Amino acid sequence: EVQLLESGEGLVQPGGSLRLSCAASGFIFSRYAMGWVRQAPGKGLEWISAISGSGSSTFYADSVKGRFTISRDNSKNTLHLQMSSLRAEDTAIYYCAKDADFWSGHYVGWGQGTLVTVSS
Amino acid sequence: DIQMTQSPSSLSASVGDRVTITCRASQGISNDLAWFQQKPGKAPKSLIYAASSLHSGVPSRFSGSGSGTDFTLTISSLQPEDCATYYCQQYNSYPLTFGGGTKVEIK
Repeated sequence: EVQLLESGEGLVQPGGSLRLSCAASGFIFSRYAMGWVRQAPGKGLEWISAISGSGSSTFYADSVKGRFTISRDNSKNTLHLQMSSLRAEDTAIYYCAKDADFWSGHYVGWGQGTLVTVSS
Repeated sequence: DIQMTQSPSSLSASVGDRVTITCRASQGISNDLAWFQQKPGKAPKSLIYAASSLHSGVPSRFSGSGSGTDFTLTISSLQPEDCATYYCQQYNSYPLTFGGGTKVEIK
């Protein structure tokens, strides 16, 4: 059974940094692309970043490009999202998601989400 | 970027009703479309991929159709447990994009 467990929840001031992690189990982690999707309070889903199974390819939404960095440690089955220069509009629940394939963009497994609050 | 437009944004229907949600892409995406169900306080759940393929374990009252730019999600007989918000998502090209969501309520 696919399990994804996010951590790193927190309250951070505008301009600050935070690192989210997602521990994966139940599948061969290195064979699948992974992504991060966020949801601001009361709003819809927003894809923000994806990384290939090997980690050699990454994509970002324009809203986070240059501020967020996605990475993965395949030896530890862990996905990361390093967030910097945080803004109030980054306040959201952040979900890590497992791709259905090596690099399809279709997400079939989701974590429970972790809340990031950016406020002074 | 490919824009995904869902309609309606909300609907209210009775148990047993047939419910249809539409999703339109701003450009052709072949059948690279997924549908998700999200209940309050929960993570999204994958329902349909490749526009019309049902994920394992999803009730057969859910179905999807369409190709190119126009897609639909149909619930053939609405059940109380189907109260949720439904999202479409295109995975034809990056950036991946979601529709704005359709909130389904029981009348």
